[in-house]
Amino acid sequence: QVQLVESGGGVVQPGGSLRLSCAASGFTFSSYGMHWVRQAPGKGLEWVAFIRYDGSNKYYADSVKGRFTISRDNSKNTLYLQMNSLRAEDTAVYYCAKERYSGYDSPLDYWGQGTLVTVSS
Amino acid sequence: SYELTQPLSVSVALGQTARITCGGNNIGSKNVHWYQQKPGQAPVLVIYRDSNRPSGIPERFSGSNSGNTATLTISRAQAGDEADYYCQVWDSSTTWVFGGGTKLTVL
Repeated sequence: QVQLVESGGGVVQPGGSLRLSCAASGFTFSSYGMHWVRQAPGKGLEWVAFIRYDGSNKYYADSVKGRFTISRDNSKNTLYLQMNSLRAEDTAVYYCAKERYSGYDSPLDYWGQGTLVTVSS
Repeated sequence: SYELTQPLSVSVALGQTARITCGGNNIGSKNVHWYQQKPGQAPVLVIYRDSNRPSGIPERFSGSNSGNTATLTISRAQAGDEADYYCQVWDSSTTWVFGGGTKLTVL
């Protein structure tokens, strides 16, 4: 069965950096685009970034553009999110999610359990 | 930028029908997806491309989309349906967008 397991969250000071990982199993990782979606405490879902199945195209929310970088290693079935210049407003649970089919308007059909990032001094 | 508008909360009596709306400019021309999120859990896809149910989602969940409003309908509401529900679309200018979420309460 499809499994997505995030790791790498924690407490970091404003201006600091963190790298999140998402280990995928149960499907052909190299065939699917992947997303990062975050949820601030008590708030709704916010899309963060997307990477195509082969890493050829990447997209970012305006709120993280220039600070976050999404990447993937298809040989390791792992998705990453490098987060730099972190701000208090980046505090959230970060989920990785898989696209259901190839296409930008695909739904996100499987989600990990999330990893909490807290930006605080 | 493209925005999706959902009511903050919807209440429904046990066994009755709940309808959760998602408003957006000409949303009827887009594919709308719906997610259910229970407290402390990850979101779960319940409807995709307006009205399609993934395997394992009860037939009580259905969706429609026309004009400026998409609707998630939950028939014969159960206590276990209490959750937050989010609509989502892809827009060429805004890319991936979520609605603000609707808290469903089953009375």
